[in-house]
Amino acid sequence: SAVISQKPSRDICQRGTSLTIQCQVDSQVTMMFWYRQQPGQSLTLIATANQGSEATYESGFVIDKFPISRPNLTFSTLTVSNMSPEDSSIYLCSVIPSENYNEQFFGPGTRLTVL
Amino acid sequence: DQQVKQNSPSLSVQEGRISILNCDYTNSMFDYFLWYKKYPAEGPTFLISISSIKDKNEDGRFTVFLNKSAKHLSLHIVPSQPGDSAVYFCAASVSNYQLIWGAGTKLIIKP
Repeated sequence: SAVISQKPSRDICQRGTSLTIQCQVDSQVTMMFWYRQQPGQSLTLIATANQGSEATYESGFVIDKFPISRPNLTFSTLTVSNMSPEDSSIYLCSVIPSENYNEQFFGPGTRLTVL
Repeated sequence: DQQVKQNSPSLSVQEGRISILNCDYTNSMFDYFLWYKKYPAEGPTFLISISSIKDKNEDGRFTVFLNKSAKHLSLHIVPSQPGDSAVYFCAASVSNYQLIWGAGTKLIIKP
């Protein structure tokens, strides 16, 4: 398993500003992901955070809006840029421990409200 | 287009009784299915999974049933306990890490 922490746990931001969310894992993991859960919706994969290279984004998500860093195997950041009220969501970091490909472990999430 | 559907947003069950949570999918290529449980202010935690080569997997009070012909799976919790009150997500994958998630069902266990 893996223990994952996220900062901040929640924030209220103004339209047009940016917020950077941090994800820290207690062990080195190869695969790390960022998800979004909009109110009343299912979890949607934003991107795979690749260590040492650019993140791999899913359809509908772009680097300019959601820049991601992954400087090492235990840490990643997701920035939500130029925010609008539609970006109000829970943002979740997850990892796959290398020994079990089909089980993901999630951080507690960051609840973002954009006014 | 929702490939994984949980049609019941919420479910209320008496403590001690059986809870049955349902999930339907449309993609016949899905070969692995998982259930996650989520408490408020926490991330989802893995509960139980099933491969498409099986039709049942059991772990303590939790059993998942898979009906491939109907593209339907269900999670049974017996007996239901107050600590089971949470949101339950069904997810599916095609031989890789990318999970497709349902919208979740909020389970409420009444004392």
